[in-house]
Amino acid sequence: ELKVEQNPLFLSMQEGKNYTIYCNYSTTSDRLYWYRQDPGKSLESLFVLLSNGAVKQEGRLMASLDTKARLSTLHITAAVHDLSATYFCAVDPYNNNDMRFGAGTRLTVKP
Amino acid sequence: DVKVTQSSRYLVKRTGEKVFLECVQDMDHENMFWYRQDPGLGLRLIYFSYDVKMKEKGDIPEGYSVSREKKERFSLILESASTNQTSMYLCATTTARLGNEQFFGPGTRLTVL
Repeated sequence: ELKVEQNPLFLSMQEGKNYTIYCNYSTTSDRLYWYRQDPGKSLESLFVLLSNGAVKQEGRLMASLDTKARLSTLHITAAVHDLSATYFCAVDPYNNNDMRFGAGTRLTVKP
Repeated sequence: DVKVTQSSRYLVKRTGEKVFLECVQDMDHENMFWYRQDPGLGLRLIYFSYDVKMKEKGDIPEGYSVSREKKERFSLILESASTNQTSMYLCATTTARLGNEQFFGPGTRLTVL
């Protein structure tokens, strides 16, 4: 059974600090997705990683994918309050649109 | 920009009622999905469709059915709503042209009393 595990599930950090969220998955997949969800809102696509070694950056967020280790990271640089949200990773290992999501990491950035 | 809309943001129904949730997209995406999201359980796939009149069961199809008569519209039907179907329902679309990145609708928060 495919498992997608994120850690930590809850993250409270100070503004200006750096941190990394990890996403491990149990079945080979060459594509991985990161989404953001604000409270009471829907999910918004952040990054699409489509190959081993893919790295994408947007503002203070950078995502990378290591398909051999079955690991993706979402790195936060110099966090600001606006980044407070829940972040989900998802994989589609069989390329058949059967997307599997991690449980989400709830990030709170405190002043 | 991809636009995915859902028929209601909030819905309150009674046990046993038939409930229709509708999702409409305007970007000609071939694939459409229905998820439910519950605290502690994450997103779970109910059904998806990769073409008109085609459907595939996801992880939790029991108690639900779907309809896709037109490419832009995907409906989720609760034949006889039950309290354990109280949840947030999210519709999403993808296209292989965009690496199957999912575009989500705003969600429908359904409460079954």
